[in-house]
Amino acid sequence: AQSVTQPDIHITVSEGASLELRCNYSYGATPYLFWYVQSPGQGLQLLLKYFSGDTLVQGIKGFEAEFKRSQSSFNLRKPSVHWSDAAEYFCAETGANNLFFGTGTRLTVIP
Amino acid sequence: GAVVSQHPSRVICKSGTSVKIECRSLDFQATTMFWYRQFPKQSLMLMATSNEGSKATYEQGVEKDKFLINHASLTLSTLTVTSAHPEDSSFYICSASHRGVGGYTFGSGTRLTVV
Repeated sequence: AQSVTQPDIHITVSEGASLELRCNYSYGATPYLFWYVQSPGQGLQLLLKYFSGDTLVQGIKGFEAEFKRSQSSFNLRKPSVHWSDAAEYFCAETGANNLFFGTGTRLTVIP
Repeated sequence: GAVVSQHPSRVICKSGTSVKIECRSLDFQATTMFWYRQFPKQSLMLMATSNEGSKATYEQGVEKDKFLINHASLTLSTLTVTSAHPEDSSFYICSASHRGVGGYTFGSGTRLTVV
């Protein structure tokens, strides 16, 4: 069955440190991949998406993600985390008919 | 873990009819429910946010009389697409926030096709 895996439930990083959130997808053909962020009480906000082309995708708020077909991964990165980045992050993949979400990674940023 | 049961998973209806989609939190209390729709190969679009016992807050451009949202209890929220038309065909998905715990859980989505 199609699935998206986010292995890390909770990550804590220091402000200014680099960040990488992991995501693995399972749909083998041409995946359409997304990263969303959700702050408390807010709806999802799209950070970036990958459909085709350059495998390194730039998003908003200084985030980027790299699509690696060989690893079935689409990890999200940020070189320097800000306190306002503390939120829940979701990776998603859309297949032929449905949209699949990972279980989310909660990011805590410490001063 | 927390589970949100969403059904139906797929529905085909005739133009002009109404369709109700349910999202039920099975083992937690969902104080807030988010409703999204997604067109093929597009990102999610937030339609509305509903808090238990109060009226839903709709995003700009979403017709509240067409997309009726009810969140009468801490475990159930419904989205009713009234007088559906083919352009309403889409993938609808809910997400519930966990009371007192934090975090969000998504339903499995509903594929609506209006013919």
